[in-house]
Amino acid sequence: LAKTTQPISMDSYEGQEVNITCSHNNIATNDYITWYQQFPSQGPRFIIQGYKTKVTNEVASLFIPADRKSSTLSLPRVSLSDTAVYYCLVGDKRRTGGGNKLTFGTGTQLKVEL
Amino acid sequence: DVKVTQSSRYLVKRTGEKVFLECVQDMDHENMFWYRQDPGLGLRLIYFSYDVKMKEKGDIPEGYSVSREKKERFSLILESASTNQTSMYLCASSRQIDQPQHFGDGTRLSIL
Repeated sequence: LAKTTQPISMDSYEGQEVNITCSHNNIATNDYITWYQQFPSQGPRFIIQGYKTKVTNEVASLFIPADRKSSTLSLPRVSLSDTAVYYCLVGDKRRTGGGNKLTFGTGTQLKVEL
Repeated sequence: DVKVTQSSRYLVKRTGEKVFLECVQDMDHENMFWYRQDPGLGLRLIYFSYDVKMKEKGDIPEGYSVSREKKERFSLILESASTNQTSMYLCASSRQIDQPQHFGDGTRLSIL
C-alpha cells in the first residue's frame, strides 16, 4: 500500500508559481495519482490526474518523474482564492480489490497572501 | 453537473446509538466511497462499493458497516456509536475506479 507524504503547509504570494510535492515511495504499477483541492466546509474537488510524465489542464500541471516515487502539483500564478488544502491520492486502478487501496496524503495547507 | 448529496451537514448522537449516514449521487456512477477526515490524518477510506450490494473494506472499517441496495444510494452505519467516531464523514462517487471522485460536502458527526 503506497504511503504518501506531503508538506503540512506552504505560504506564497499572489502571482507566484506554487509547487507542492507528494512522496509515494511504494507506488505500484497499477497505481495512478490524483490531486484534489479542499476549501473549508466543502468536500475535496478534483484538480488533475496522471499516471506518468507530465499532464497539464487549464488550472494546473502535474509532473511525475520516471520512477513515479513522487509527484508535483504546479499551480501557476496563484491568487488569494487558491488558499486551500491540497491532497494527493494514490489509487489502484483495478476495479475489484483496488478500491481499498486508495491512500490520501495528509494534505498541504496553502496560504496565499497579497 | 455532478451532485453528491449527504443527508445531514451536522449530526449529534449519543454513545451506543445506531447511526445512519446517507449519501445519494445523481450521475449513475458505479463506485461509491465513504471516508472520514480528521485533523492531521487526512482522508481515510472506510468502505467502498463498486456495484449494488458489493462492498470492500477500506483502511478503517472497524465499527462501521455499509449498505448499497440501489445504485444511487450508499449508506454508512455506525452499529454502536462511540466517542472516537466523532469526525467529519465524506461520501464520494466515481464512474470508473480510476476516474476522479466527486465528493459531497460532508457530515460533521459528534458522538456524546
